[in-house]
Amino acid sequence: GAVVSQHPSWVICKSGTSVKIECRSLDFQATTMFWYRQFPKQSLMLMATSNEGSKATYEQGVEKDKFLINHASLTLSTLTVTSAHPEDSSFYICSARDPGQGMNTEAFFGQGTRLTVV
Amino acid sequence: LAKTTQPISMDSYEGQEVNITCSHNNIATNDYITWYQQFPSQGPRFIIQGYKTKVTNEVASLFIPADRKSSTLSLPRVSLSDTAVYYCLVGDSTGNYGQNFVFGPGTRLSVLP
Repeated sequence: GAVVSQHPSWVICKSGTSVKIECRSLDFQATTMFWYRQFPKQSLMLMATSNEGSKATYEQGVEKDKFLINHASLTLSTLTVTSAHPEDSSFYICSARDPGQGMNTEAFFGQGTRLTVV
Repeated sequence: LAKTTQPISMDSYEGQEVNITCSHNNIATNDYITWYQQFPSQGPRFIIQGYKTKVTNEVASLFIPADRKSSTLSLPRVSLSDTAVYYCLVGDSTGNYGQNFVFGPGTRLSVLP
């Protein structure tokens, strides 16, 4: 089946630095990818919808200047957490659908990226 | 956007059948119902998807009544490895973006020996 891969699986960074997370669709082209954040014992929270070749759509309350999303190709979306702070420590997950399978099909999720800001 | 309601947690024993019911009273005509499983520190994994009546695959069954206002995920003979959080999602086809998967709190299933 279709696979979505995230890199890195985990990352530790210092406060004030920026971190880039990559999300790749390995065997299909994804015009749209979704980025989620998940805190311990909580559900996934949709942060933004990444659109290939255009600006991302952010959910209410998510700072677009802090969480930069770039969807430069049909198989790659990146999320950059800029000027990271300890409160940004979380589990970040991306997902994508295979548009070749129609509108109402499963979304494939990456394995997630554990970000720890110290 | 159709909202879903699930029990927060459930306990079961190995070998039992587990049924998790999800309510989605405002489901739209074009919406599908999808269930995902998530283990700690992993991304969600697709279990099953359906539109109406019953769907069965190698891991689960999904029962959807005629009014589609609820659905029940059935896991036959659970094992310890089925301990996870289970999410029920109802699709919201929004133009070119297709289904915008918005997660509810999910059901934390604990399988005991």
